[in-house]
Amino acid sequence: DAKTTQPNSMESNEEEPVHLPCNHSTISGTDYIHWYRQLPSQGPEYVIHGLTSNVNNRMASLAIAEDRKSSTLILHRATLRDAAVYYCILRDTGAGGTSYGKLTFGQGTILTVHP
Amino acid sequence: DGGITQSPKYLFRKEGQNVTLSCEQNLNHDAMYWYRQDPGQGLRLIYYSQIVNDFQKGDIAEGYSVSREKKESFPLTVTSAQKNPTAFYLCASSMRNEQFFGPGTRLTVL
Repeated sequence: DAKTTQPNSMESNEEEPVHLPCNHSTISGTDYIHWYRQLPSQGPEYVIHGLTSNVNNRMASLAIAEDRKSSTLILHRATLRDAAVYYCILRDTGAGGTSYGKLTFGQGTILTVHP
Repeated sequence: DGGITQSPKYLFRKEGQNVTLSCEQNLNHDAMYWYRQDPGQGLRLIYYSQIVNDFQKGDIAEGYSVSREKKESFPLTVTSAQKNPTAFYLCASSMRNEQFFGPGTRLTVL
């Protein structure tokens, strides 16, 4: 499985934008970029995913570099509830585009949000 | 409400005893997964199942066993062969692009 590199921790102030970087220099053409987050003592929660184009949803935006070797998760206005561990994961859909790709979690980025 | 349930939330067992962790989903998802998480670490895949009556080993399957007799259920047994069973165990299911996780079971072996 291709690996990702994230900073161990980041800090932000409430209501400010947060840009969480992820490097994945060995990404393959069939790898989707997924982001999950995990609040303390809870299971991870899906945030967003993309392949090549930038993506937006109600939780966040995902900006993907043109060469796909890096991506950035953008929280437009951080709240205290956004404090969590954020995981950047590459999911291989396989040659057949199977929907059941495994997720390989790294250590993620611990995001602290200050009031 | 649709979702994934894991029970119990906290589980204590004596060393040398087998223990089974429950995972049930009513999302009609074909694929289910078991992960283990140790303090300060990311999740590691134990077993996964893409369809009923079929499952595959993940990255750390030694000392664990699973069954998938029903689409809704994917129980995990932690056997006495698992050398360090104390951990946070998470079950997940998926249909396409998104994995849905349960609340987890924190297992402590005394």
